[in-house]
Amino acid sequence: GENVEQHPSTLSVQEGDSAVIKCTYSDSASNYFPWYKQELGKRPQLIIDIRSNVGEKKDQRIAVTLNKTAKHFSLHITETQPEDSAVYFCAAPAGGSYIPTFGRGTSLIVHP
Amino acid sequence: EAQVTQNPRYLITVTGKKLTVTCSQNMNHEYMSWYRQDPGLGLRQIYYSMNVEVTDKGDVPEGYKVSRKEKRNFPLILESPSPNQTSLYFCASSISGNKETQYFGPGTRLLVL
Repeated sequence: GENVEQHPSTLSVQEGDSAVIKCTYSDSASNYFPWYKQELGKRPQLIIDIRSNVGEKKDQRIAVTLNKTAKHFSLHITETQPEDSAVYFCAAPAGGSYIPTFGRGTSLIVHP
Repeated sequence: EAQVTQNPRYLITVTGKKLTVTCSQNMNHEYMSWYRQDPGLGLRQIYYSMNVEVTDKGDVPEGYKVSRKEKRNFPLILESPSPNQTSLYFCASSISGNKETQYFGPGTRLLVL
């Protein structure tokens, strides 16, 4: 099955700094890479996703980059704000699987 | 309003007492699934369903059952709960599979004594 590793597990930044979270995956047939944000006590919600036919996707202050050769993808948050503080999960469903494999999560703390 | 609902939101029970957590979605989604979330382990899928009467095991199915008799409902059954099933449970749905946006329910926090 798919193996997804997510780093770092905790990330602390100052407001206005950039934050980068990286995930690696094992199945070269994986072709869909979402990122979910989970605020404290809330449900996970999709914030951005990318498919394997593109290398980068941006939505205002967040972006995702994909390197299929190296089998990793990253979430980039620029100009971080305190409301960006949350746990972020990546996922990489294996190519032939119906099971979405999630990373273990990154707790992002943005200090005002 | 398009949504996924779960009930109950909080549940304390004792070992061996059968319980059911309900999940319902009003988006006409084909794919539904259950996850458990434990500290440091992320989200792990328990069971999923591709459509009515079609269910299959996820990564951690032991001790759980599911059914999909109607498209909108996907209950999670713990026939004999044990303390290691104490966790936060999420139901989720998507249009047709795991390579699309998963819409999560609000979560059910279960404590098994």
